[in-house]
Amino acid sequence: EAAVTQSPRNKVAVTGGKVTLSCNQTNNHNNMYWYRQDTGHGLRLIHYSYGAGSTEKGDIPDGYKASRPSQENFSLILELATPSQTSVYFCASGDAWGGRAETLYFGSGTRLTVL
Amino acid sequence: GEQVEQLPSSLIVQEGASVLINCSYTDSASVYFPWYKQEPGKRLQFIIDIRSNMERKQTQRLTLLFDKKTKHLSLHITATQPGDSAIYFCSASNNRIFFGDGTQLVVKP
Repeated sequence: EAAVTQSPRNKVAVTGGKVTLSCNQTNNHNNMYWYRQDTGHGLRLIHYSYGAGSTEKGDIPDGYKASRPSQENFSLILELATPSQTSVYFCASGDAWGGRAETLYFGSGTRLTVL
Repeated sequence: GEQVEQLPSSLIVQEGASVLINCSYTDSASVYFPWYKQEPGKRLQFIIDIRSNMERKQTQRLTLLFDKKTKHLSLHITATQPGDSAIYFCSASNNRIFFGDGTQLVVKP
């Protein structure tokens, strides 16, 4: 089974601080995704990547940056964290090009609280 | 872009009952429809999928029906157990993956 590992599991940050969420996958998947999950909104796509060196904006990219330095690692960066970014963040990897027939493998999530 | 809607948003049933979760999508270019289950505090996990050239798929207690004409899917879970309690997500995939908002299922013992 695909292994996607997120760190940290929980994070408390202060408003205006910088937060980096990390994701590592060990299955050589090309595609990786960052979602946030909030009650009443389901899963919303923040950024995604088709491979090392590539990042693409999802549906709600404002306030977030992403970095894909290698096939295995995909980071989500909040340069200036705000309380509205308090949420649970999920990383996922996928095993097909273009998403046309792609099953996603999710990490366990990072619960971020911005005070 | 694609929009995926799930109904109901929540349901509570007694153990042993059958449940039906409905999902509709808008983009006829979507070709693949995986479903995921998220148990409380856990990651989303793939449970069943169907492609647009199929009408029905069954695995154990799950049956997934697909109507391409009406752009509608339905997930049928039989003989529910407390372990089925989770949020169930429908998704639609063309060049991107779009998720519904989820259906929260509670199965009471």
